[in-house]
Amino acid sequence: KNQVEQSPQSLIILEGKNCTLQCNYTVSPFSNLRWYKQDTGRGPVSLTIMTFSENTKSNGRYTATLDADTKQSSLHITASQLSDSASYICVVSAKDTGFQKLVFGTGTRLLVSP
Amino acid sequence: DAGVIQSPRHEVTEMGQEVTLRCKPISGHDYLFWYRQTMMRGLELLIYFNNNVPIDDSGMPEDRFSAKMPNASFSTLKIQPSEPRDSAVYFCASSQDSASGSRETQYFGPGTRLLVL
Repeated sequence: KNQVEQSPQSLIILEGKNCTLQCNYTVSPFSNLRWYKQDTGRGPVSLTIMTFSENTKSNGRYTATLDADTKQSSLHITASQLSDSASYICVVSAKDTGFQKLVFGTGTRLLVSP
Repeated sequence: DAGVIQSPRHEVTEMGQEVTLRCKPISGHDYLFWYRQTMMRGLELLIYFNNNVPIDDSGMPEDRFSAKMPNASFSTLKIQPSEPRDSAVYFCASSQDSASGSRETQYFGPGTRLLVL
């Protein structure tokens, strides 16, 4: 069964600190993996997209890594800011006829405290 | 561009009533998606369209749900009759077609928060 599991479920860190969010998946055949940031009351916004051949992708203070062998991804946030408080959702695409089948994780809720 | 536009932003209705959610995708985008988000189940893809044609509706929970896309700039998601368990945030998203079909980014609207009493 195609599944995406994220950990931790929630996290509180102090402003300025770094943190790493985890995503494990069992989606097959793998097409690509995305990280989205969702602010409270808003729609998700794409942070990174990685295909099988990419093992790291950065977007400002956000760096995503992908290990296709172990089927794991991480999202590292450097020098956190209060505005990083949000839910972070890992989404894995499975190859299929036509468009990709998207499998969503339930997200990690991050709170950056002053 | 104003991004994906959804209306209404909030909807409160009574069980048994018909609910219609509306979406205007980003101009030029060929794909339109409807999602539902709840605390328990997270984000779920309900249905998506390509060039106004429904491609995959396997995520639609039951016959009470229907979606249409009469033209490239408008789509509706209808629930009739509505039930309390339909309470959720419903997102519409759109994306451009791409040669590979594997790296397109979906742009989400602000969502419609639905409460069925």
